[in-house]
Amino acid sequence: NAGVTQTPKFQVLKTGQSMTLQCAQDMNHNSMYWYRQDPGMGLRLIYYSASEGTTDKGEVPNGYNVSRLNKREFSLRLESAAPSQTSVYFCASGYEAFFGQGTRLTVV
Amino acid sequence: DQQVKQNSPSLSVQEGRISILNCDYTNSMFDYFLWYKKYPAEGPTFLISISSIKDKNEDGRFTVFLNKSAKHLSLHIVPSQPGDSAVYFCAASAAYNTDKLIFGTGTRLQVFP
Repeated sequence: NAGVTQTPKFQVLKTGQSMTLQCAQDMNHNSMYWYRQDPGMGLRLIYYSASEGTTDKGEVPNGYNVSRLNKREFSLRLESAAPSQTSVYFCASGYEAFFGQGTRLTVV
Repeated sequence: DQQVKQNSPSLSVQEGRISILNCDYTNSMFDYFLWYKKYPAEGPTFLISISSIKDKNEDGRFTVFLNKSAKHLSLHIVPSQPGDSAVYFCAASAAYNTDKLIFGTGTRLQVFP
């Protein structure tokens, strides 16, 4: 019973590089989320998807794009990474937000 | 503009005593509130929730209290155990957009023997 699976777990990028963070859930949830966690800032919502085919901006969407590929998968893309995007990224799904293990991203 | 605030970054409590974690919110449209617990290098896990039609919800050692007029909620842990040492986040959502869950900044609880 995997729940919410995020890949990769760790990543180091150079400034300007692009990458996609993957998230998949096997709980048949309609809603999915991407958060970032920074020291002293708590968990901030980047984007969310209420259902397959819909996405909406959260509190800090700038510099990110998302794709709700199907009901299971919700990906987060950084087109041109910046040091300010160094953070721990969490994907979650469901009304009470079941979280994945997180992706620790460092942009140098 | 922080809509959900946890003003105490840390709290230290002796094992067996009560831990009280506080959370304030500014958006009067919030009507569903949740608490999460987070251990290092893991994702947050759901702990307990309360809707605005109630002022108290209890689950074992955990009780959440909601004071709507003060826009304040609190999580009580009784008795506190060393395994409760973690970061606790409160979160809130509004009926008009239940999919948009807004989190506070977290409180680090340390329970010492």
